[in-house]
Amino acid sequence: DQQVKQNSPSLSVQEGRISILNCDYTNSMFDYFLWYKKYPAEGPTFLISISSIKDKNEDGRFTVFLNKSAKHLSLHIVPSQPGDSAVYFCAASGGSSNTGKLIFGQGTTLQVKP
Amino acid sequence: SQTIHQWPATLVQPVGSPLSLECTVEGTSNPNLYWYRQAAGRGLQLLFYSVGIGQISSEVPQNLSASRPQDRQFILSSKKLLLSDSGFYLCAWSRDMSYEQYFGPGTRLTVT
Repeated sequence: DQQVKQNSPSLSVQEGRISILNCDYTNSMFDYFLWYKKYPAEGPTFLISISSIKDKNEDGRFTVFLNKSAKHLSLHIVPSQPGDSAVYFCAASGGSSNTGKLIFGQGTTLQVKP
Repeated sequence: SQTIHQWPATLVQPVGSPLSLECTVEGTSNPNLYWYRQAAGRGLQLLFYSVGIGQISSEVPQNLSASRPQDRQFILSSKKLLLSDSGFYLCAWSRDMSYEQYFGPGTRLTVT
């Protein structure tokens, strides 16, 4: 059972435009959500996170939105740059911060065209 | 600052051979440690996690095992590799009581 889903395997946007990556989850016990960026043959790097007590968190060009009623979160990148081309994973945690277990989605490959 | 090391970077092993992948973390103490696998075209699957020396929790029953002989050392092992063990193996750490995990560079394992 896939508790965290990224239904779009890929996304292509033009440089300077907005990239919107989506993620859905099924477990209402999840209370913390994260986005990671991964280049080929490298480990993922942490981008941004949001707690379930918030509906928006912003860090520079990156903003994460959380809609708890829809069990949906999205990552907005504005403006998109060619260096943003990578695989993006969303992840969720079920309140066990003492273990820190994360459930990851399948990933979305973002291509930003110059 | 904290750093995480994994080795080897790539590994080609025949079916039935043993496996040992090592992960070490520097610059922190008593981290939570994790092993993940990314199969081709798939997401990250949590294999094992550890909250302390000698404490290992397994998420997926499989052909692999993990050990934590020292505070900042995490080892992934197998006695006999299967073709299905091929993938990209990632080690990660987090601070106790924190959700953010920080990943190592990964090991590409190909079982032939």
